[in-house]
Amino acid sequence: DIVVTQSPESLAVSLGERATINCKSSHSVLYSDNKNYLAWYQQRPGQPPKLLISWASTRESGVPDRFSGSGSGTDFTLTISSLQAEDVAVYYCQQYFSSPPAFGQGTKVEIK
Amino acid sequence: QLLLQGSGPGLVKPSETLSLTCTVSGGSITTGYFWGWIRQPPGKGLEWIGNIHQIGDTSYNPSLKSRVTISVDTSKKQFSLRLSSVTAADTAVYYCVRHWGYHYGFIDYWGQGTLVTVSS
Repeated sequence: DIVVTQSPESLAVSLGERATINCKSSHSVLYSDNKNYLAWYQQRPGQPPKLLISWASTRESGVPDRFSGSGSGTDFTLTISSLQAEDVAVYYCQQYFSSPPAFGQGTKVEIK
Repeated sequence: QLLLQGSGPGLVKPSETLSLTCTVSGGSITTGYFWGWIRQPPGKGLEWIGNIHQIGDTSYNPSLKSRVTISVDTSKKQFSLRLSSVTAADTAVYYCVRHWGYHYGFIDYWGQGTLVTVSS
């Protein structure tokens, strides 16, 4: 099974500053179609997760462009370019390259 | 807008069977997607349980496979989860979800979640 590991577990960022979350997969999730099978989700307190990014870097419709995903193979990053108050949440990455689909343990983003 | 609404008992006794149902509205359950369940213990991360296609093809997490059954009733636009021989470790919020594309695709729709507590 592929294991997905996120870092850091939590981070505190000032409003308007950049937040960076890392995600590492135990096996490459780059498929022969040249797509990375990795997604990012945001879970606000008391809410279900919400899909932000699929294919490592494709933002879902309606997701602000301050959210961006990058990386390939085994190492990925979610960047919030200018943190807003509504971005306080736990963020999860998920590999969907192979079964069982696996999530990272989550990164909690707070306001400094 | 597709909506997924889970329902079922919020309290289950140890060793009994947890049963939840998810009703799909605002869209079809027969569009070729995979419908599944993910759980989240209080204060912890997300665990994939399994899913089912409209034709009944299922896929389960190996860690739970011996205790899980997922079924679908397309006429009612519902799919269901049964988890047998539950223990306190099965206490969690259970989300019904839609997978994009295939058995282990990313999740594009989530229900609000149903908290199930296992306790005598």
